[in-house]
Amino acid sequence: AQKITQTQPGMFVQEKEAVTLDCTYDTSDPSYGLFWYKQPSSGEMIFLIYQGSYDQQNATEGRYSLNFQKARKSANLVISASQLGDSAMYFCAISGGSNYKLTFGKGTLLTVNP
Amino acid sequence: DADVTQTPRNRITKTGKRIMLECSQTKGHDRMYWYRQDPGLGLRLIYYSFDVKDINKGEISDGYSVSRQAQAKFSLSLESAIPNQTALYFCATSDRDRNNYGYTFGSGTRLTVV
Repeated sequence: AQKITQTQPGMFVQEKEAVTLDCTYDTSDPSYGLFWYKQPSSGEMIFLIYQGSYDQQNATEGRYSLNFQKARKSANLVISASQLGDSAMYFCAISGGSNYKLTFGKGTLLTVNP
Repeated sequence: DADVTQTPRNRITKTGKRIMLECSQTKGHDRMYWYRQDPGLGLRLIYYSFDVKDINKGEISDGYSVSRQAQAKFSLSLESAIPNQTALYFCATSDRDRNNYGYTFGSGTRLTVV
């Protein structure tokens, strides 16, 4: 079974500063993928970034980067230069094995202060 | 039109009523999923389907049933709704696509059972 742990129920950051959202995972699959999604108050799930377990380099997408430490089973999301619009719930998720379903963590609520 | 369309967007129903949530997709993906989101619990998998003839239970399937009418359509039914099924429901699709498995989420259905 796969498991995602997000230990930060809530985080606060000042506008224009960087913030790291923590995610640790557990899986027995040798091949897996790690995802981060953003959920604003409107409710939709917005895909942010993906890291494959065999990818040698950390994934980056604009202001988002994924700090992938395979030995520690962590996949932290780093948001640089936070903006007010980044205030949202953030979910880490893992996919792997034969059924490709996503397993989600409980999420971290990020609040960006002006 | 959205790639994954869920109807209705919002629904209030009474305890004991049968209700169907519908999902249709234009992605051409084989795999479709139904997730449920409760505050503080992240998203949990209810059912998933790899094709019309392949339907599988997820971690919280009790009280739900599904129908894969076509590759593009995957419906979730609550045979006799109860208040603790009040939640935000997401349909999602996936296919292998380059490096990110190509997951796509619908906008969600907010269901309230009174």
